[in-house]
Amino acid sequence: LAKTTQPISMDSYEGQEVNITCSHNNIATNDYITWYQQFPSQGPRFIIQGYKTKVTNEVASLFIPADRKSSTLSLPRVSLSDTAVYYCLVGNNAGNMLTFGGGTRLMVKP
Amino acid sequence: EAGVAQSPRYKIIEKRQSVAFWCNPISGHATLYWYQQILGQGPKLLIQFQNNGVVDDSQLPKDRFSAERLKGVDSTLKIQPAKLEDSAVYLCASSLVVASGGPYNEQFFGPGTRLTVL
Repeated sequence: LAKTTQPISMDSYEGQEVNITCSHNNIATNDYITWYQQFPSQGPRFIIQGYKTKVTNEVASLFIPADRKSSTLSLPRVSLSDTAVYYCLVGNNAGNMLTFGGGTRLMVKP
Repeated sequence: EAGVAQSPRYKIIEKRQSVAFWCNPISGHATLYWYQQILGQGPKLLIQFQNNGVVDDSQLPKDRFSAERLKGVDSTLKIQPAKLEDSAVYLCASSLVVASGGPYNEQFFGPGTRLTVL
């Protein structure tokens, strides 16, 4: 079971770029890296998923180095509404159960 | 498109009582998940269904928790008897069927049921 490690909390200011790094040293060959966002009193929401290199969508970018032992979620120009908990998950659909860790609590300040 | 529906939204019971939660997934989603989220922690998967079959229930405390998904659509999660440590938010999520060995499809979560056991 691939374990992930990410910072417990981060602070940022509006308009800044935020990078949250996740370590997953024992990632398996078939594992994908997925990030979810959770606001208070809501269920998590999918942000982005990738296998290697870089993935970008309208919300974020995901950078994965060649060894895949870590990944970085990049949020461009954050706003107050990006204050949330961000979870990094590693797994696939062949028995490696997707597991939420403790997440990173991002606080965006004005 | 309607999202994942859960009820009730809140429930307060005394320890040793029983409680049931209901989930209606997004139409067409064959995979359904139940999670337990204790305050300050990430969601913990309790059980995963694909249609009406159980894919994984390794973290379900089977002495007190049970879940079923009749006809591969709606699902219920039951706790009997409840303990103080069962106080948590119970989240239901659904996704499209995923190909074996591939990435997990995006999971869509419901609003959750907040359970308080006194």
